[in-house]
Amino acid sequence: TQLLKQSPQFLSIQEGENLTVYCNSSSVFSSLQWYRQEPGEGPVLLVTVVTGGEVKKLKRLTFQFGDARKDSSLHITAAQPGDTGLYLCAGPSGGYQKVTFGTGTKLQVIP
Amino acid sequence: GAVVSQHPSWVICKSGTSVKIECRSLDFQATTMFWYRQFPKQSLMLMATSNEGSKATYEQGVEKDKFLINHASLTLSTLTVTSAHPEDSSFYICSLTGQGTYYGYTFGSGTRLTVV
Repeated sequence: TQLLKQSPQFLSIQEGENLTVYCNSSSVFSSLQWYRQEPGEGPVLLVTVVTGGEVKKLKRLTFQFGDARKDSSLHITAAQPGDTGLYLCAGPSGGYQKVTFGTGTKLQVIP
Repeated sequence: GAVVSQHPSWVICKSGTSVKIECRSLDFQATTMFWYRQFPKQSLMLMATSNEGSKATYEQGVEKDKFLINHASLTLSTLTVTSAHPEDSSFYICSLTGQGTYYGYTFGSGTRLTVV
């Protein structure tokens, strides 16, 4: 089983601050995805990264895939209360279309 | 992307009863759907892979006789929690991927099950 460990586990910051969430594994992944989940709802896909070293930007969110494709990071600039939620990385885990989810990072942005 | 509808969004049941959760693909014929379980403040844990027209594939440690999965059509998968107990209380989420893992999963809105 390929494990994805996220850090930090919890993060509480003031509005306007920057933050970075990390997703690490000892295994190589062909791709990694990032999701955000709000309480009582299913996760929503934010981005998929495929190429080692790839950087993708989604407004204030910047996603990076490590050169060795074993890790990824999510950086949020000038966080807003609407960014509050559970952030999950995920990667293929063998088996048809199966995906393993990371341990999750719960972010709270205080107004 | 695919659109997934999950019902009910929440349910409260008595210990010993069974509860059925539906997951519908509204715009895509899904031969494969996935069922996850999520405890508070934790990540998603895959329970089983639902295969249209055949038996579901369960992850290690998941009781197949307790969590019955039926995928009778290309647009509907159901999860039945049989003889529910308080420890079965959790958030259950279904998902499917319309075009393969690369394009990511689309999730249902989840079902909050509380067993009293």
